[in-house]
Formats: sequence, structure tokens, C-alpha cells
Amino acid sequence: GAVVSQHPSRVICKSGTSVKIECRSLDFQATTMFWYRQFPKQSLMLMATSNEGSKATYEQGVEKDKFLINHASLTLSTLTVTSAHPEDSSFYICSARGGLGVNEQFFGPGTRLTVL
Amino acid sequence: AQRVTQPEKLLSVFKGAPVELKCNYSYSGSPELFWYVQYSRQRLQLLLRHISRESIKGFTADLNKGETSFHLKKPFAQEEDSAMYYCALYYTDKLIFGTGTRLQVFP
Repeated sequence: GAVVSQHPSRVICKSGTSVKIECRSLDFQATTMFWYRQFPKQSLMLMATSNEGSKATYEQGVEKDKFLINHASLTLSTLTVTSAHPEDSSFYICSARGGLGVNEQFFGPGTRLTVL
Repeated sequence: AQRVTQPEKLLSVFKGAPVELKCNYSYSGSPELFWYVQYSRQRLQLLLRHISRESIKGFTADLNKGETSFHLKKPFAQEEDSAMYYCALYYTDKLIFGTGTRLQVFP
């Protein structure tokens, strides 16, 4: 089946620094990747949708200058949390779509971000 | 606005009991609905989708347009079914998730 990886799985950083999270589709080409945020015991909140080679589309209320998304290739998307603050601490999950099913998304394992 | 509602945060049953996880949606068109499952410390994975009318791990879900529901059912729950279950609606190229229901199956 389709596999999506995320790196790192866990990151701790100081307030004010930037953190980059990678999302890779390992065995298929992902025309579209999605970035979600999940708070403890809550549902997934879609942050943005990225298509390879074009600018990401952000959901309402998500600061695009704070959460920079790059989808430079069909197998890689990155999320950079700029000038991170403690309130950015969360579980970030990516998913990828494309190649194997029209509307099916395959999810990464998530990245736990802790900002001190 | 399009919305997915899962009214139960937690559902606890004993092994062998029937299970029904409720999901209601609001969407005026023809919906495309999914159930995703997240086992402890694992990633979210697709359980089933309504268009394929399949049964996975004994689970089934029927779309009821009149009641705008897509409840997930299993006649005999197993301990390994304990997980977080999310109902999702596909809308304008993205998934809208419900808040999830945690299923606990006791031995």
C-alpha cells in the first residue's frame, strides 16, 4: 500500500526558532499533500493544501507567513513553523493523495512539536 | 456549511457486543464519505468508504441520504477494535473530519 513518512517524529525547540517538518510519499507520486494539526483528544484540523509546483492554499485562520509550506516535488512537502511559540506546540500530520485512488488520502505518522 | 458530526466521544462495549458508531453529515449534494481509524500510537488509516460498499475487519457502513447518516457498524466487537474512529466527508478536494469517537472494547 501507499506509505507516507514524516520527519522528524518528535522535535523540541526554543521559542522564536523555526522548525521544518518533512512529509514524503515513499512509493507513489503525490500530486496533492495536506497538512493537519491535531490537539490532544481532538479531531484533525486541516491547515493547508499543497499541490506540487504551486502555492499552498491555507484554511481560514491559518497564518501563511507563520506556517510556510513548500511542495517542490511529487514526493516531498515541507512545513516550516517560523518563529515558533509555545502555543504552536501540537501534533502535525501530513497526508498525500495521488496515483492510487482518486480521493483517498494516505496519512503520515505525525510529528510532535514542543516549543519551550 | 459542510459538517460532520460524531455525537459520541466515547463508546464502551464488551467483547462480542454489537457496535454502532454514529456519524451525521450536512451536505446538500451527493456525499463521498469515509471512515478512518487510528489505533493507539499508529497513524490514521482508511477503514472503509461508502462508494465501494465493502466490509473491512467486519465493519460496514451504509449511507442513508434521508437521515444524512453514515453510521459504522460491527455485529460482534473484538478487543483489537479499540481505537479512535473518525468519519470524514470529501468536499471541494479535501476531507472534513468529525470530532472522532473512541471505541473501548472490554474483555
